[in-house]
Amino acid sequence: QVQLVQSGADVRKPGASVKVSCKASGYTFTSYLIHWVRQAPGQGLEWVGRINPSDGITHYRQRFQGRVTMTRDTSTSTVFMELSSLRPEDTAVYHCAREIEGTCFFDYWGQGTLVTVSS
Amino acid sequence: EIVLTQSPGTLSLSPGERATLSCRASQSVISSHLTWYQQKPGQSPRLLIYGASTRATGTPDRFSGSGSGTDFTLTISRLEPEDFAVYYCQQYGASSFTFGQGTKLEIK
Repeated sequence: QVQLVQSGADVRKPGASVKVSCKASGYTFTSYLIHWVRQAPGQGLEWVGRINPSDGITHYRQRFQGRVTMTRDTSTSTVFMELSSLRPEDTAVYHCAREIEGTCFFDYWGQGTLVTVSS
Repeated sequence: EIVLTQSPGTLSLSPGERATLSCRASQSVISSHLTWYQQKPGQSPRLLIYGASTRATGTPDRFSGSGSGTDFTLTISRLEPEDFAVYYCQQYGASSFTFGQGTKLEIK
């Protein structure tokens, strides 16, 4: 069965960086895009960006340009999202989610990773 | 960037009643790029409807989606206890994905 399993919760200080992982299983890793969507406590969903595991090409939401980096490791079927220059308002649950390229919706989601930014 | 506005913010209904949730876009959305998700507390979102009206695998047929252009609707014909949750619409356009702010469906 399709699974996206994310790394555990993390606490970082303002100005630091965080790297969250998303390990895929149950399907051909390079055949689907992986997106990152975040959700601040008690708030709605916000798209951060996506990576094509097949070629590593990324596309980030403009407001995260320069602060976010998405990479992949095809040997372990894992995608990574690194967010730098963290601010308290980056505190959120970060989800990875899968897209069949071109369908523009997310059919499977990871369980989410809580990133807390606090001094 | 296309802004999606969902209404109402909270909808209080009883099991067995009909629920109508609205999603309005700031500019026209391609229908094939309009999606609905359900999210329960402590869980990740779950895909319900894609392409504005196509039920995802496992979505009960009491859920239906409709609409085009800037106005889309999610209807739940007869509410079951497990349907009380937050519902989000989402679109893809102008190289970006955006979500509505959500409608919380609560038990009256």
